[in-house]
Amino acid sequence: DIQMTQSPSTLSASVGDRVTITCRASQTIMTWLAWYQQKPGKAPNLLIYKASSLEGGVPSRFSGSGSGTEFTLTISSLQPDDFATYYCQQYNSYSPTFGQGTKVEIK
Amino acid sequence: QVQLVQSGAEVKKPGASVKVSCKASGYTFSDYFIHWVRQAPGQRLEWMGWINPNSGGTNYAQKFQGRVTLTRDTSISTAYMELSRLISDDTAMYYCARGLGSSWNDYWGQGTLVTVSS
Repeated sequence: DIQMTQSPSTLSASVGDRVTITCRASQTIMTWLAWYQQKPGKAPNLLIYKASSLEGGVPSRFSGSGSGTEFTLTISSLQPDDFATYYCQQYNSYSPTFGQGTKVEIK
Repeated sequence: QVQLVQSGAEVKKPGASVKVSCKASGYTFSDYFIHWVRQAPGQRLEWMGWINPNSGGTNYAQKFQGRVTLTRDTSISTAYMELSRLISDDTAMYYCARGLGSSWNDYWGQGTLVTVSS
């Protein structure tokens, strides 16, 4: 299986901060990567697919980049609603795998 | 609007089986795969497998091979996940999610909590 590693595991930030989360794949996945936001007790919510395509209805402050084995999710100006856990997911192989998650906390 | 509605919470004893349903509405059921993903308390999301509702074809994560069975009933636009030989480590929230093939998941069910306890 392709292993996905996110960093950091936890991130403390303030409203208005620019936030960047990194996701690394154990082998190349081209741009077959998605990002999800999950809040406590809720199902994940798709933010980004194909590494950089913004899902409909997702605020433009979210953006994704990268290809191959290294990817980033950026929140340009953190809003109160953005405090949550973020997961990357590769779907290059027939067996998708997720990163361990990055929790964005209030500083 | 697209909706995936899952069956209610289950409590099972070790060694038993559980079957969770996922009813789709608001789109053509056969056009999208149904994926199953679980999340143990405080843990990462874990992909279990998918089913192609059109053909019935399945793909399972190696970890669950032999223990999980995915099926569907196209007449009622419902997918099912059955997990057998339950152990305490199977206690988790189980989600179904829609995917355009083996790809990202754009709609998710609300989750079904399965608790395994003697």
